[in-house]
Amino acid sequence: EMLLVESGGGLVQPGGSLRLSCAASGFSITDYYMSWVRQAPGEGLEWVSVIYTGGSTYFAESVRGRFTISRDNPNNTLYLQMNTLKSEDTAVYYCVRDPSMGRGYENFDLWGQGTLVTVSS
Amino acid sequence: DIQMTQSPSSLSASVGDSVTFTCRASQSIGTYVNWYQQKSGKAPKLLIYAASTLQRGVPSRFRGSGSGTDFTLTVTSLQPEDFATYYCQQSFTTLITFGQGTKLEIK
Repeated sequence: EMLLVESGGGLVQPGGSLRLSCAASGFSITDYYMSWVRQAPGEGLEWVSVIYTGGSTYFAESVRGRFTISRDNPNNTLYLQMNTLKSEDTAVYYCVRDPSMGRGYENFDLWGQGTLVTVSS
Repeated sequence: DIQMTQSPSSLSASVGDSVTFTCRASQSIGTYVNWYQQKSGKAPKLLIYAASTLQRGVPSRFRGSGSGTDFTLTVTSLQPEDFATYYCQQSFTTLITFGQGTKLEIK
């Protein structure tokens, strides 16, 4: 069974840092584009970042310069390092898999259960 | 960024009805649109990709169409498990964006 399991969420003060992890099983994350998508309480979905199979990374404007995405290939784990956190970063963060493999029509066919990040003093 | 605007923001229907969700892109994006269903407290689920291709395992009562700037998701013969929030998403650009969602409620 293919699974994504996020961890690392919690309460952090404004200006603080947090690192989210996403452990994948049943497939190799190096074979897929992997993204983070977040959802603020009661709000819609917001794409945050992607790491391509070749290692290129991209970020939404709202987090560019503060967040980094990376992966640990041997441990099949995706990370999101979040620095200089703001109250507006409060959200459930989902790790997602994109099966398009660079052929276009990127979509998210596998989602984790999400991990809640709360930025508050 | 490409803006995706969904309408209406909410919709009421009964079991057995057919409903149509609309999504409009701020510029032409070909068929680079996907649709997701999200139930309360759960992660979203992919329904349709590339505007009209049904994701494996999704019932055939879900149908996507459109190209350019206007896209629709139609659900025929609504079932109790279909009441949820639906999101469109564009992948025309590297910076992916979602619509704000349409909540489907039971009438």
